[in-house]
Amino acid sequence: DIQMTQSPSSLSASVGDRVTITCRASQSIAIYLNWYQQKPGKAPKLLIYAASTLQSGVPSRFSGSGAGTHFTLTISSLQPEDFATYHCQQSSNSLLTFGGGTKVEIK
Amino acid sequence: QVQLQESGPGLVKPSQTLSLTCSVSGDSMSSGSYYWSWIRLPAGKGLEWIGRIYTSGFTNYNPSLKSRVTISLDTSRKQFSLKLSSVTAADTAIYYCARAYTYGPLVYFDYWGQGTLVTVSS
Repeated sequence: DIQMTQSPSSLSASVGDRVTITCRASQSIAIYLNWYQQKPGKAPKLLIYAASTLQSGVPSRFSGSGAGTHFTLTISSLQPEDFATYHCQQSSNSLLTFGGGTKVEIK
Repeated sequence: QVQLQESGPGLVKPSQTLSLTCSVSGDSMSSGSYYWSWIRLPAGKGLEWIGRIYTSGFTNYNPSLKSRVTISLDTSRKQFSLKLSSVTAADTAIYYCARAYTYGPLVYFDYWGQGTLVTVSS
């Protein structure tokens, strides 16, 4: 299995802050890394695929970068609707795996 | 607009079989660019991929669950189903069905059902 480790597991931030979430893979996954946002009681929503491609309709304040084993999701200016849990997911291996999630809370 | 909706019992007794169905609208379920998956979210843990079924009927399961899982597809009814046998409390989770876009190694889930909580308890 490819293990995906997200950090931090939670963070507190204020509206307008720049927020960065990290996802590390236990082995190289090239750029086969996707990011999802999940709000309480809702299904995950695709934000970014292939490490850095923004899904249609996703605000440009979200961006992704990285390759190999180290990836980041950045929110350039946190908005009230961005408080949620974020998940990374790899598809380099046929056994798809997710990170443990990062909960972004209001400071 | 593609929509997915899970249905099935919210309570299953230990050692019994969990059965869920996902109904799909807005997609013919015939494109080779997509497949259909089940994913679960146990409380306090991360998402876990359970398995997938292609439009051809080919399946692929998470090895940790493989001996207990069956996913099937009924394109005429635009549904796919999950059966998980011999359940224990560790199988208590929110279960999601999802559509996966696939292109080579790139696989991402672009549409999800709202999720259904399944509790394993006597």
